[in-house]
Amino acid sequence: DAKTTQPNSMESNEEEPVHLPCNHSTISGTDYIHWYRQLPSQGPEYVIHGLTSNVNNRMASLAIAEDRKSSTLILHRATLRDAAVYYCILRLYTGRRALTFGSGTRLQVQP
Amino acid sequence: ETGVTQSPTHLIKTRGQQVTLRCSSQSGHNTVSWYQQALGQGPQFIFQYYREEENGRGNFPPRFSGLQFPNYSSELNVNALELDDSALYLCASSLEAGPNNEQFFGPGTRLTVL
Repeated sequence: DAKTTQPNSMESNEEEPVHLPCNHSTISGTDYIHWYRQLPSQGPEYVIHGLTSNVNNRMASLAIAEDRKSSTLILHRATLRDAAVYYCILRLYTGRRALTFGSGTRLQVQP
Repeated sequence: ETGVTQSPTHLIKTRGQQVTLRCSSQSGHNTVSWYQQALGQGPQFIFQYYREEENGRGNFPPRFSGLQFPNYSSELNVNALELDDSALYLCASSLEAGPNNEQFFGPGTRLTVL
């Protein structure tokens, strides 16, 4: 599986935008980019995913670089509830269909 | 709509014992995946079941085994427990086994092996 690299931790202030980066330089043409987050004492939850184009949903936006070697998860207005570990995951189109989690980015949100 | 549920919430076992963890998938979901999450680390994939058949396995020994039932609920069995098996065990369900399908996670079972 192709690897992803994320910063260990980031801090943000409440109601400010947050940009969470992810590098995936060995991504293949059919790898989807998924983001999950894990709130304290909970299982992970899906945030967003994309293949080539930028994506928006009610939770976040996903900006994918033109060469697909990096992506950025954007939380438009961070709230205290967004404090979590955010995982950037490449999901193979064929073969194993599991999620391969790295160590993620721990996001702290200050009031 | 009921989400993914897991039982028990917490469990304490001793080394060498066997344990069975249970997972009820979200209504309509035919795929269940199991993950092990050690303290401070990301979840690691154990195996996946799709329509009652194992559909992929991570780097875990054969003493980790599973089942999926006709109602798509699932069990994870671990034999000959070791201290390193202490972890949070997460179950996730999805509608299909493809790469584009969101996985819905349960709250996990915290297993402690003494």
